[in-house]
Amino acid sequence: DAKTTQPPSMDCAEGRAANLPCNHSTISGNEYVYWYRQIHSQGPQYIIHGLKNNETNEMASLIITEDRKSSTLILPHATLRDTAVYYCIVRVSLYNFNKFYFGSGTKLNVKP
Amino acid sequence: DTGVSQNPRHKITKRGQNVTFRCDPISEHNRLYWYRQTLGQGPEFLTYFQNEAQLEKSRLLSDRFSAERPKGSFSTLEIQRTEQGDSAMYLCASTTGTTDTQYFGPGTRLTVL
Repeated sequence: DAKTTQPPSMDCAEGRAANLPCNHSTISGNEYVYWYRQIHSQGPQYIIHGLKNNETNEMASLIITEDRKSSTLILPHATLRDTAVYYCIVRVSLYNFNKFYFGSGTKLNVKP
Repeated sequence: DTGVSQNPRHKITKRGQNVTFRCDPISEHNRLYWYRQTLGQGPEFLTYFQNEAQLEKSRLLSDRFSAERPKGSFSTLEIQRTEQGDSAMYLCASTTGTTDTQYFGPGTRLTVL
């Protein structure tokens, strides 16, 4: 019951911006979009999250479309250490807790 | 290090044996999640604790699985009578506050022979 769709893999040249797309066409009004990444054999690492507005932090920018059906994670200057699987997640608020729905993720390959 | 820790990092067992994993969350975090991740897939939710109370369990958590969080601190996940299909990475995450950003541990990789 994945709520997000992402391309399985993408390539990016070192120093260039990496733009990772995500579709979440069934998202509801109070459901947040989160992005995490996972480097091989490690636990997922938080990157950024948002509800309606675009967000930026020291790691990345998150652009959410006006209809909220899709979003894009932007790594402004990709480095080799950004090679990882990137997960777009919808956070659903249930009656007693928040549930994260992970998709299959996008494997980002940053090349020299 | 004040992050989420998990032990052991790797566990190899024979089918039919029982295994137990431990998760130590970030100290001030009152909410704790367990996930399972198989090769090539994203993590799947297993169970959720708020303090010491287990408030939610996934359908994935069969009766061979049990989780506890005594005193609302560390948590354990036990799998009885392991099967080869239990082979996976088991991840723990903790959080607090209204943003609910989950901080993950490094995971325990289970291999059932």
